[in-house]
Formats: sequence, C-alpha cells, structure tokens
Amino acid sequence: TQLLEQSPQFLSIQEGENLTVYCNSSSVFSSLQWYRQEPGEGPVLLVTVVTGGEVKKLKRLTFQFGDARKDSSLHITAAQPGDTGLYLCAGSHDSWGKLQFGAGTQVVVTP
Amino acid sequence: DADVTQTPRNRITKTGKRIMLECSQTKGHDRMYWYRQDPGLGLRLIYYSFDVKDINKGEISDGYSVSRQAQAKFSLSLESAIPNQTALYFCATSNRGHGQPQHFGDGTRLSIL
Repeated sequence: TQLLEQSPQFLSIQEGENLTVYCNSSSVFSSLQWYRQEPGEGPVLLVTVVTGGEVKKLKRLTFQFGDARKDSSLHITAAQPGDTGLYLCAGSHDSWGKLQFGAGTQVVVTP
Repeated sequence: DADVTQTPRNRITKTGKRIMLECSQTKGHDRMYWYRQDPGLGLRLIYYSFDVKDINKGEISDGYSVSRQAQAKFSLSLESAIPNQTALYFCATSNRGHGQPQHFGDGTRLSIL
C-alpha cells in the first residue's frame, strides 16, 4: 500500500490567520483531490489537480500539486469559522478512479 | 433528496450478528464504493464496483461482502460482526474517467458490542 501522509493532524487557529495543510507520498499520483468533511456528513470535493506544478484557487483556498506529482498543499488565507472541518487529500494512481485517502487534518477556526 | 442515500444512519448490534448496510444513488453513476473511516486512519476502501457485473476487493475486504443489485444500489454485509468493525461507513459514487470526483453519502455509524 502506498502511503499518503497528511500534516499536521490537527490545526487550531484564530479567525483571520492563514494556514497550510500538506499531503505527501513517496509515489506518483495521476491525480489528486482535496475533500472537506463536516461532522455527520460525508466528504465533499473541493478540487482536483492533475498536472505537476498546477495551482488552483477557490476563493480563499489555494491548492498546489507538486512538480513530481508526489505531494500537494492546501493554503487558506484569512481563515473563517466556516472553514472548520476535516480536510482530506486523496490520490489516484490510475485512470480507474480508485482513491487512496490520507488520514486527514482537523482544522478548527475560532472567532 | 440526497443523491447518495445510506441506511441506516446509526446501528448498534451485538457480536456475531449479520448486518447489512444499504446504499442507493440517483446520480446515474456506474461506479460505487464502500469505505470505512476510523479516527486517525482516514477512509479505507472495502469494496468497489465499476458496473453491475463488476465487484472488486479493496484494501480491507476481509469480514465483509457486497452485492450490486442494480446500477443504483450497492449493499455491504458483515456476515458475523466483531467489535473491531465498529466504525463510520461511507458509500460513494463516481462517473467513469480520470480524476472524477467521488460523491459520498452521509455515512452509517455502526457500533458492535
């Protein structure tokens, strides 16, 4: 099993601060996705990145896929309480759609 | 109505019982998946199905079985439940193709005493 490691496991910040979550692997992914999960719900897709070096922005969220397609980061600017949740990265090694998930980063943003 | 519906949402049962978790979808997706989520371990794939006639084991299939009754229905069974199968279970669906998003149900919280 190819491991997909997320760091940190837990992040607690004040509203208005910035944060970065990392997702690393020793293997190459054909695509990588970021999901956010809230209590009592299933994960919801935020973004998919497929090209090495790709950067995608979703409002205050910036996603980057490493040049070698082995790592990714999620940066949140000026975090808000609504950003609170479990952030999961998930990588695919092939075109069949199977995903390997990281353990997740729990983000808490306090007012 | 939810696109991916899981039933039941919560279940408490005893060791040795047979349990079935059901998943139905209205998204028209061919692909369906069952995961379990444990604290600190993320989501782990139990079984997946790329169409009605295709069933595949995931990384942790021991102790579980599945049935794809129709394109829209995919059920997960625990033939003889054991306490370490206590977890949050999720069903997901996706379209065919590279990089397609997976759409998750809201999960079933299963406790085995």
